[in-house]
This record gives sequence, C-alpha cells and structure tokens, in this order.
Amino acid sequence: DIQMTQSPSSLSASVGDRVTITCRASQSIYNYLNWYQQKPGKAPKLLIYAASTLQSGVPSRFSGSGSGTDFTLTISSLQPEDFATYYCQQSYSTLRAFGPGTKVDIK
Amino acid sequence: QVQLVQSGAEVKKPGSSVKVSCKASGGTFRSYAISWVRQAPGQGLEWMGGIIPIFGTADSAQGFQGRVKITADESTSTAYMELSSLRSEDTAMYYCARDVTYGSGSYFDYWGQGTLVTVSS
Repeated sequence: DIQMTQSPSSLSASVGDRVTITCRASQSIYNYLNWYQQKPGKAPKLLIYAASTLQSGVPSRFSGSGSGTDFTLTISSLQPEDFATYYCQQSYSTLRAFGPGTKVDIK
Repeated sequence: QVQLVQSGAEVKKPGSSVKVSCKASGGTFRSYAISWVRQAPGQGLEWMGGIIPIFGTADSAQGFQGRVKITADESTSTAYMELSSLRSEDTAMYYCARDVTYGSGSYFDYWGQGTLVTVSS
C-alpha cells in the first residue's frame, strides 16, 4: 500500500502569513494527489485535485504543486477562515490513502 | 445540487455489526464511485473502501478486509457500509463521499454529513 506523510504535523501562523505544507508519498503517484481542508465538526472540503488544480469556488490564495513523491500546499496569505486541518490524499492506487494531517492554528 | 445524506447515529455493543447508509440526490448515482472514510475522535481521516455502483465492485483498505462490506442499491441511489466484529476502537465518525474519476485519478468532491458510531458495552 502507498503510505502518505505530511509535515509539519502542526503549525502556528498569523493572518497574512504565507503557509506551506508538505506531503510525501512512499512511491511515485505522478500527480494523483488531492488536498482537503477540515474544520472541527465538519466534513472535509476538497481544495485541490491533480496536485495543482483548484476546485471550483476555492480562493486563489490556495495553490498546490509537485509530482512524483513530493507535493506542497501553499496558502499565500492566511485568512481567519483558513485555520483548520489540512489533509493530502493519493488517488494513484485504488486503495486510497490520506496523509495524517497538518493542523494550522493561530499564533 | 448533489447531496449525500447519511443515516443517524448508532450505539453498538462490542462484537456486533453496524450498517450505515448514504443516500445520494442531485446527480447520476451510477456514474460515480462512493467511498467511505472514517475519523476516530481527535484523529485523522482513514479511507475504508469504496464501490462503483454501475459495476457493483468494491475495494477495501487492508486494515478492514474481512470486516467491512460496501454495497450499493442503484434503485434507491443509496450506498451502504457494514462493519462487523465491532470493537471500541471503531468508535468514530463515518463519512461517505462521492469519488469522481478524471483520467487515472479521482477526488472526493461531495461528502455526507457523517454518522457517529459509538461502540460501548
């Protein structure tokens, strides 16, 4: 099975900061990598699919990059509503897998 | 507008089974896969398995093989996830999600509201 890791596991940031989260796959997944945002008590929300394609309605301050085994999610200017947990997820294998998550909280 | 509506919360005894439903509306049910994802309290997301209703074929994560059964009823646009031999560690929120395929990849674009399953003696 493909294993996903994320770093950092948590970070503290201020409104307006640029935030970068890294996701790594245990083998090449080409660009079959998605990013989700989850707020407490809510279902996850799709932000980016195919490593860099922004889902409809998602603000352009979110961006994704990478291919193969290493990927990043960047929030260019953190907004109050962006404090949440972020998960990467691979879809290269039919046995989908999520990363462990990165919690972004207020500094 | 696509909606996935899940069945209500469940309290189960250890060793028993639970069956959670996920009714889809607003889209073409048979055209998409449905995946099940769970989240234990304070923990991350864990993909359990999925089904493609048009084919009726299901996959499950290695950790659930033999304990999870995922089915779909096209006539009612409803997917089901049944988990057996429940233990306390299965206490979690269970989500269904629409699994949209593009090329060789896919993503989960719509999610159910979640079903809390509590396993307690």
